Amino acid sequence: NAGVMQNPRHLVRRRGQEARLRCSPMKGHSHVYWYRQLPEEGLKFMVYLQKENIIDESGMPKERFSAEFPKEGPSILRIQQVVRGDSAAYFCASSRTGTGFNEKLFFGSGTQLSVL
Amino acid sequence: TQLLEQSPQFLSIQEGENLTVYCNSSSVFSSLQWYRQEPGEGPVLLVTVVTGGEVKKLKRLTFQFGDARKDSSLHITAAQPGDTGLYLCAGASRNFNKFYFGSGTKLNVKP
Repeated sequence: NAGVMQNPRHLVRRRGQEARLRCSPMKGHSHVYWYRQLPEEGLKFMVYLQKENIIDESGMPKERFSAEFPKEGPSILRIQQVVRGDSAAYFCASSRTGTGFNEKLFFGSGTQLSVL
Repeated sequence: TQLLEQSPQFLSIQEGENLTVYCNSSSVFSSLQWYRQEPGEGPVLLVTVVTGGEVKKLKRLTFQFGDARKDSSLHITAAQPGDTGLYLCAGASRNFNKFYFGSGTKLNVKP
């Protein structure tokens, strides 16, 4: 009964490289959220996706960042030409329906991105 | 802009003490959730409150949602070292598209 799976747990990139972060939601969940967390801070919303659709990307930087959730396979958060300021923990969460008063988010263990 | 303000930011207490942490906003939320996060892990949902004035209890934890649905509090009775962690509140947007998280209260319970 696997939970939300994120990989890799740790990712080191040099400035200018690309970072690809993967998230497999819980079984039966078709809604995925990506959040970013800096040390000693809360989570900042980035993007909300359903299968093959971006529902809300209001928290995504306009450049270099993109996200997808294909029909088959995990959700991918892609950061092109990384800069030191991209260093953070990136968390993925999934939910069953995406709506409702008692909607529950289940989080993965995160990917710690370090940009050298 | 931080929609949800949590206080205090840091709290260090002795085992057995009681504590209250707060989550405040100028915005009204459709629902509010509390999470606990341990280092190197993702947040884990503790409770969801929906109705203004609602009080929920989870063993030694008591959660309250303000009457106007703008603020919430978490009270822990007889804290234990296992309660140590980062406590985050999150408010749901009107259409539940996203949850806005506060910056958290980092709690350390010393044995």
